[in-house]
Amino acid sequence: NAGVTQTPKFRILKIGQSMTLQCAQDMNHNYMYWYRQDPGMGLKLIYYSVGAGITDKGEVPNGYNVSRSTTEDFPLRLELAAPSQTSVYFCASSRLVRQGSNQPQHFGDGTRLSIL
Amino acid sequence: QKEVEQNSGPLSVPEGAIASLNCTYSDRGSQSFFWYRQYSGKSPELIMSIYSNGDKEDGRFTAQLNKASQYVSLLIRDSQPSDSATYLCAVRKSGGGSNYKLTFGKGTLLTVNP
Repeated sequence: NAGVTQTPKFRILKIGQSMTLQCAQDMNHNYMYWYRQDPGMGLKLIYYSVGAGITDKGEVPNGYNVSRSTTEDFPLRLELAAPSQTSVYFCASSRLVRQGSNQPQHFGDGTRLSIL
Repeated sequence: QKEVEQNSGPLSVPEGAIASLNCTYSDRGSQSFFWYRQYSGKSPELIMSIYSNGDKEDGRFTAQLNKASQYVSLLIRDSQPSDSATYLCAVRKSGGGSNYKLTFGKGTLLTVNP
């Protein structure tokens, strides 16, 4: 089972360049999320989506954009890369969450991004 | 007060001992609690979830939840070197439009010494 697939696994960008981090899930999950993780830190939510066509900002959305045209795909776009965006990016997905349910989030393997 | 707090560690235990990892949270109405394990350079993987007060056991792992005191803990019995990793506590908040988002602690680094 593929689960959550992220591409690329590694990338080096120059300041000011743009790129798209790809995320796809094959579990028919409604909810998808993008996180960044800096060294020694927990996961910070960048953007999330509750279904195709619906996205919303998380804790640290500045400098990023997302779209959700299908249930399966949730790409993250960096328009003008800055050194502060050097991080590990994780995509995750979960089933429809009802009040009090224990639906966990399933993570992809991550994209390690360096901005030089 | 941070929303989800964990001791950053590192927590060092000898092989075969019990490792105890703790997490406190600020939102009294939080509903669901998760423990993720993250090996260095890898993605988080779910090891336990708990929803009700009390203990939940799964093999060598036991999650304990006390909503009145707003803490959740993870016990690892018979610790093995392969348990050496960072353990992330995650909390799902209550109600409204945010009950599908998780808030993560910074994680506790556990080292199990052979």
